[in-house]
Amino acid sequence: SAVISQKPSRDICQRGTSLTIQCQVDSQVTMMFWYRQQPGQSLTLIATANQGSEATYESGFVIDKFPISRPNLTFSTLTVSNMSPEDSSIYLCSAGSGELFFGEGSRLTVL
Amino acid sequence: QKEVEQDPGPLSVPEGAIVSLNCTYSNSAFQYFMWYRQYSRKGPELLMYTYSSGNKEDGRFTAQVDKSSKYISLFIRDSQPSDSATYLCAISNAGGTSYGKLTFGQGTILTVHP
Repeated sequence: SAVISQKPSRDICQRGTSLTIQCQVDSQVTMMFWYRQQPGQSLTLIATANQGSEATYESGFVIDKFPISRPNLTFSTLTVSNMSPEDSSIYLCSAGSGELFFGEGSRLTVL
Repeated sequence: QKEVEQDPGPLSVPEGAIVSLNCTYSNSAFQYFMWYRQYSRKGPELLMYTYSSGNKEDGRFTAQVDKSSKYISLFIRDSQPSDSATYLCAISNAGGTSYGKLTFGQGTILTVHP
């Protein structure tokens, strides 16, 4: 299994600012993904983090709003840009090389 | 029609009961099937992973896949209060550009009361 650490675990941010979430995996993995989980809802895939190239975004999510980096096989970042209250959510990093594991999530509140 | 349908419950059972959680899916390209458990304010925890029709057992948990009916189940035997959580089914394609991407059900909230 893979152990996934996310930072920050939670944050309260002001409207119009940006926040970068980090995801660190304890071993090299093939796949890394970023999900969003809104209160009381299931998980929605934001994008696939591709190592050394641009991320692949799902319908409804764009690079300008959610820029993603993945410089190597164990690390990725997700930035939530120009935040609004509608971005208040839990952001989850997922990684693996077959089975997929999740971090504890980053709970973001935008005021 | 959603790609993955899961009864959100909530489901409440007494301790020791057998719990059955179910999902249906619409896309026959789905080949990998997972069940996650999510406690409140925690990330999803992988419980079971399978890629073939039939049963897979791990302790008190049994995952069942019927590809012909596009139907998957998770059974929990001798349920315990510590099993109280939200259970999410997740399904993935076999390859191509969708490889590894999970489509989740809505999650079923389970409460096991002593």
